[in-house]
Formats: sequence, C-alpha cells, structure tokens
Amino acid sequence: AQSVTQLDSHVSVSEGTPVLLRCNYSSSYSPSLFWYVQHPNKGLQLLLKYTSAATLVKGINGFEAEFKKSETSFHLTKPSAHMSDAAEYFCVVSVSNNNDMRFGAGTRLTVKP
Amino acid sequence: NAGVTQTPKFQVLKTGQSMTLQCAQDMNHEYMSWYRQDPGMGLRLIHYSVGAGITDQGEVPNGYNVSRSTTEDFPLRLLSAAPSQTSVYFCASSLLSGANVLTFGAGSRLTVL
Repeated sequence: AQSVTQLDSHVSVSEGTPVLLRCNYSSSYSPSLFWYVQHPNKGLQLLLKYTSAATLVKGINGFEAEFKKSETSFHLTKPSAHMSDAAEYFCVVSVSNNNDMRFGAGTRLTVKP
Repeated sequence: NAGVTQTPKFQVLKTGQSMTLQCAQDMNHEYMSWYRQDPGMGLRLIHYSVGAGITDQGEVPNGYNVSRSTTEDFPLRLLSAAPSQTSVYFCASSLLSGANVLTFGAGSRLTVL
C-alpha cells in the first residue's frame, strides 16, 4: 500500500520569502502525486499533480513541485510567499490501478507580514 | 454548475443516534468517496465507489455504511454514532478513479456528544 509523510506539521515564513513544504512518499508502483490546499473552513483545492510526465510540475498561484524518484520526494515550493498563501497543504499519493488515495497529515503554512 | 454538494453543513448528535450525510454531484463523475478529517491526521478514506451499484471500503470504514444507487448520489450513514466519529467529513468525486483530480464538497462538521 502507498503512504505519504509530510515532514513538517507547521511552517512559518515571512511575506516575500521562499516557501518549502516537504513530502516523502512510499509506493510499490509508479505513483501519481498531488498537492491540495485548504483555506480555513473551506474544502480542498488542487494545486498541482504529477502523473509520470515532466518531473517538475507547475501549479496554480506560483507553486511548483519536483518529483525525485531517487529520494521518493515531492516537495512543494514557491519563490515568494504571499499573505494569501496561509493555509493547510496536503500531499497525496495514488496508484493508477488503485482507487485508494492516501493523504499526508498536512502542513500548516503561516505567512508573517 | 454546483459541483459537489454536501448536506448538512453542521450536525450535533447524541451517542447511539443514527444519521445520513448526503453527497450529490452534477458532473457525471463515476468515482465518489468519503473522507474524514481530524487534527494532525490529514484526510482518511472511509468508503469509495467507482460507479452506481459498486462500493468498497477505504482506510477507516468501521461504523459507516454507504450505497450508490445513482451516479449522482453517495450518502454516508452512521448507524449508531459514537464520540469517536466527531469529525469533519468531506465528499469528493472525480471522472475516473486513481490519478484523476478530486473535486471536494465544502464539508460537514459532525459532533457526537
């Protein structure tokens, strides 16, 4: 079975500085990987997804993630944080022949003025 | 285009009561699923369905029942509520299972006293 570990439960950055949210995965098959964002009291929204095409994936709102098979990682980055980026972020792994999508525990991003 | 609609948004139950959380989607999605979200644990899959008449268990199915009589609807039933079922519940759907993007409902907050 696949699983995902988000290495930080909380990340705090200043506005205008880079963001790094870390995710490691475990999967017996070639995985599909996703990042979702959840703003307070809202549902989840897709940021980006990797499905075995380019290893560097660009998403919405300036976010991107790089799939590194050798490190089993899929870290999320953004060059410059904005106040509106404050939210909870979830890394998700799915196997193409499996209907079971597994979520990480989430990373809460705080952006300081 | 309503997307995924969950009702009710809030519910308080007493231990032992039963209730049904409703989920409907108008996107003709084959795949539908229910997750529960608890602090520090991310989203955990309860049950899922890959089409009308087909359901299967996820990671935490105990205490919950589902059915899928139509493509549009996927209700989640709590037969005898327990305090451990206090959580926020999300319904999600996608065109196909596996690597496709999930569309989430706004969530249903359930408290069991």
